[in-house]
Amino acid sequence: AQTVTQSQPEMSVQEAETVTLSCTYDTSESDYYLFWYKQPPSRQMILVIRQEAYKQQNATENRFSVNFQKAAKSFSLKISDSQLGDAAMYFCAYRPYNTNAGKSTFGDGTTLTVKP
Amino acid sequence: NAGVTQTPKFRVLKTGQSMTLLCAQDMNHEYMYWYRQDPGMGLRLIHYSVGEGTTAKGEVPDGYNVSRLKKQNFLLGLESAAPSQTSVYFCASSRGFRGDTEAFFGQGTRLTVV
Repeated sequence: AQTVTQSQPEMSVQEAETVTLSCTYDTSESDYYLFWYKQPPSRQMILVIRQEAYKQQNATENRFSVNFQKAAKSFSLKISDSQLGDAAMYFCAYRPYNTNAGKSTFGDGTTLTVKP
Repeated sequence: NAGVTQTPKFRVLKTGQSMTLLCAQDMNHEYMYWYRQDPGMGLRLIHYSVGEGTTAKGEVPDGYNVSRLKKQNFLLGLESAAPSQTSVYFCASSRGFRGDTEAFFGQGTRLTVV
């Protein structure tokens, strides 16, 4: 069974600084997708960034980027120039390539606090 | 755009009571899902549907039933609520089957069973 581990229950960062959230996963699949979701206090789950395992290039979306290490099964999220609006719980998720889009495996989340 | 809408947003039930959560999506998506999120945990899939008239069990289906009579609606029922079902429930939908298809989430329903 696939598992996703987020080893940092809580993280904090100073506004305008950079923070990295960790995620590791366990799978025997070779083709899969990895995701980072943001869940602010409003509870809305927002897709932040997606990485296809067959792509060696790390995904980037504005201030958000990932460090994908396939051999190490590691998928960390870097937030640059942190803003107050980045404060939220962040979930790492894994989904095999040919799997129903809703059947992702989620980590337990990391709560990010942004200090002004 | 409404996207995925869940009704109600909050509810308190007494043990043994029943209720139905409604999920509606206006994106003409084939796939719909119900999850629960417990404190300090990620989402776990309860049931899902791959099209109108179909339902399937997810990771934690016990104590829940679902129906998909119309393509745009996916109902989650609790026949006899238990305190262990206190959770935040999320509905989501997606266009297709492929793993790169994005799932769109509702804003959740906070359910407390006392």
